Amino acid sequence: GAGVSQTPSNKVTEKGKYVELRCDPISGHTALYWYRQSLGQGPEFLIYFQGTGAADDSGLPNDRFFAVRPEGSVSTLKIQRTERGDSAVYLCASSLRPGQPYEQYFGPGTRLTVT
Amino acid sequence: AQSVTQLGSHVSVSEGALVLLRCNYSSSVPPYLFWYVQYPNQGLQLLLKYTSAATLVKGINGFEAEFKKSETSFHLTKPSAHMSDAAEYFCAVSDPSGTYKYIFGTGTRLKVLA
Repeated sequence: GAGVSQTPSNKVTEKGKYVELRCDPISGHTALYWYRQSLGQGPEFLIYFQGTGAADDSGLPNDRFFAVRPEGSVSTLKIQRTERGDSAVYLCASSLRPGQPYEQYFGPGTRLTVT
Repeated sequence: AQSVTQLGSHVSVSEGALVLLRCNYSSSVPPYLFWYVQYPNQGLQLLLKYTSAATLVKGINGFEAEFKKSETSFHLTKPSAHMSDAAEYFCAVSDPSGTYKYIFGTGTRLKVLA
């Protein structure tokens, strides 16, 4: 079946602009996670959705970052007033439901470059 | 709080040699541990997972890992390296508090020499 998909695969934007990154999870997966992977680092947690609600947004670095999942499927990560430090690969993962042994399935990521 | 340490950001082995990638964790509760592999420009792929059943876990592509509570370790091994194993490997611990978000190590890049 189809895996997790993310669009766009690459996004180049100018400092100060607004961007949206989209994640399509595996059908039927209720748990959705966003991570950010900076160069040379492991992925870092940003936000977790269970269904439509953000159950844990403790990883969002500041209020320029926001994410939604209005229908409990597709999610959009939104970044306002982008800064060069936001440049990273943004990974989305989904899981059948939170808990064990439900591993997370990752998408290929969106590489964001802020110039 | 959970954390993961991967010793060695770069590891080189000869083709056919043993692969050993190290992962140590800290956790206040029994952990759930994972190894993922990332090929260039691709997403993370699950190699194997430990969820408190058998302590020796076998995964895909001939990899296995052993959970050692006394050493707080979950090292990844493969008896014989293939060129196709060259990739970046991440160890992760799952936060059991309710979200089950992953806390990742910084990764180990494996290079396989011909």
